[in-house]
Amino acid sequence: EDQVTQSPEALRLQEGESSSLNCSYTVSGLRGLFWYRQDPGKGPEFLFTLYSAGEEKEKERLKATLTKKESFLHITAPKPEDSATYLCAVPSGGYQKVTFGIGTKLQVIP
Amino acid sequence: SAVISQKPSRDICQRGTSLTIQCQVDSQVTMMFWYRQQPGQSLTLIATANQGSEATYESGFVIDKFPISRPNLTFSTLTVSNMSPEDSSIYLCSVERPGLNTEAFFGQGTRLTVV
Repeated sequence: EDQVTQSPEALRLQEGESSSLNCSYTVSGLRGLFWYRQDPGKGPEFLFTLYSAGEEKEKERLKATLTKKESFLHITAPKPEDSATYLCAVPSGGYQKVTFGIGTKLQVIP
Repeated sequence: SAVISQKPSRDICQRGTSLTIQCQVDSQVTMMFWYRQQPGQSLTLIATANQGSEATYESGFVIDKFPISRPNLTFSTLTVSNMSPEDSSIYLCSVERPGLNTEAFFGQGTRLTVV
């Protein structure tokens, strides 16, 4: 069964303190890995798709990287508005099924 | 990306009652998906809704508890029936990814509290 594990479950950073979130996965044939941001009371907002090991993508203070077993979401000099839950997910099973991790709840303190 | 609207955004319901959640998409899509996000847990797929056919339910979810309608290519409803406090959760509508490896898009969710 495909699995996605995210760590840590919660992370508290001072504004400007860079860090990384981890997503490890077990799938039968990786067909991509997705990162989403979810704010309280809202649906997940798409951030990145990574397709192959070694690929990197950036958006503002966020950079996502992918290896054969895990993905990292690096946050450089975070701001309070980066506070959210970050979800990792992979296509799995049937054609359209997506398996999600539990997420990392990030809090950035001014 | 598709614009997905869900109604209601939140509700507080009495146990034993039912709630129907609506999902409207601004473009025609073949598949729509319903997820549940319980407190402290990951998103879990409830069912896949195709227009013109019965919904396909994931393990642990049954039609009697979560009946789904899909009357056309832009609209779907999920009903949470005979609710109990364990049904308190966020329910999310999602639309098909245009390709095998492309991302899913979500509505803003319905936060349901059962008392």
